[in-house]
This record gives sequence, structure tokens and C-alpha cells, in this order.
Amino acid sequence: SSELTQDPAVSVALGQTVRITCQGDSLRSFYASWYQQKPGQAPVLVIYGKNNRPSGIPDRFSGSSSGNTASLTITGAQAEDESDYYCNSRDNSGDHVFGTGTKVTVL
Amino acid sequence: QVQLVQSGAEVKKPGASVKVSCRASGYTFTNYYIHWVRQAPGQGLEWMGIINPSSQKFQGRVTVTRDTSTSTVYMELTSLRSEDTAVYYCAREGDYDTSGYSFDYWGQGTLVTVSS
Repeated sequence: SSELTQDPAVSVALGQTVRITCQGDSLRSFYASWYQQKPGQAPVLVIYGKNNRPSGIPDRFSGSSSGNTASLTITGAQAEDESDYYCNSRDNSGDHVFGTGTKVTVL
Repeated sequence: QVQLVQSGAEVKKPGASVKVSCRASGYTFTNYYIHWVRQAPGQGLEWMGIINPSSQKFQGRVTVTRDTSTSTVYMELTSLRSEDTAVYYCAREGDYDTSGYSFDYWGQGTLVTVSS
């Protein structure tokens, strides 16, 4: 089955920019979507498709993709952005796969 | 507004079965697929499978059914093991235009604890 690999943890100073990456073969064919999850809560979709934000998601969140790597960038990180972030994509068999997750700490 | 409301926490013994429900409201139930995702304590998200109006795709010990009269999806997991202890989420696969077929709405999660 497909796998998506993320860095376990990253930190960012308040107001600075952080990029979270997600690597996997399925990303050569399918866009990643990105989910934010705070402790004890269900995940929330923050980026989908080429670089689209659902209604209500701040424009400091953006996405990009190149080859087998997708990225989520938070420009001007806020304290409330401290969360776990997961990428997700489908693969050629129609299955979905989640990334291993990245814990973002805002300093 | 779209809502997915799941049933409450369960405690089960090894070898037993558990059935978790996910009741949808605020949209046309039959027009959207439902996925199930689980998360073991302190671990990441794991995709379990998908049910749509004509088929489903789940592995192993999972059976999923839909009741269109109540807009409810049921996920049953049999032969429970300690490693099945997790929070189980249902999630709607949204439209292409508004979500790129991503999971746009999630249930609140149901904690299933398997312990002797």
C-alpha cells in the first residue's frame, strides 16, 4: 500500500513562516489534502487540490506540490496554528492514505 | 448546516464486536460518500475504508452498512483486539468544487476501548 512521509515535528517563531512537507509516490498522480488536528478534536480540512482553502480557513495557509512532494506553508504563524497536521491523498487503487503527521509548535 | 453525529464511547472485551453509528444531517445523504478513519492513542490517522451508494471498500474485520431512511452509517468491527483501541471518525467526502473530494466534514469521534 502507499505511504506518505512527514517530518515528526517542526517549530516556528510567532509571526514567521513554516513549511511542512509530505512525500510519497501517490503524490505524483494525485493532489494532497491537508488537515489540522488539535488535541481531543476531529481533524479540519485546511488545504485541498492544487492550492485551495475551504471557507473559513485563513489565507496564511497555502499548499504546493512538486514531483512526489506536497507542502503546506503557514505564512505568519499564529499561536492558534499550533497543532498536528496530516497530509492525505488517494492512490491508484482508490484507497486513501494519511501521512505520518507533523506536530507544529509555535514559539 | 452539515453535521455528522456519532454514537458514544464503548468499552469492549477482546473477541467482542462493536458497532459505531454516524448520523448525517444538513445535506442529501445519498449524494455523498462516507469514509471511516481511526486514530489509536497518541498515534496518527489511519484510513479504514469508504462506503458509497453502490459499493464499499473495507478490509478484514470491518462491515459498514447504510440506512438511508435515517441517514445513518454503521461501522461494525468484529473480533476486537487491544490494538483496535482508538477513536473512530466518520468523514464525508465532499464535492470536487468545494473540497476536491477531500474529507470536508467529520464526526466528533467515538472512543472504542478494548480491554479485558
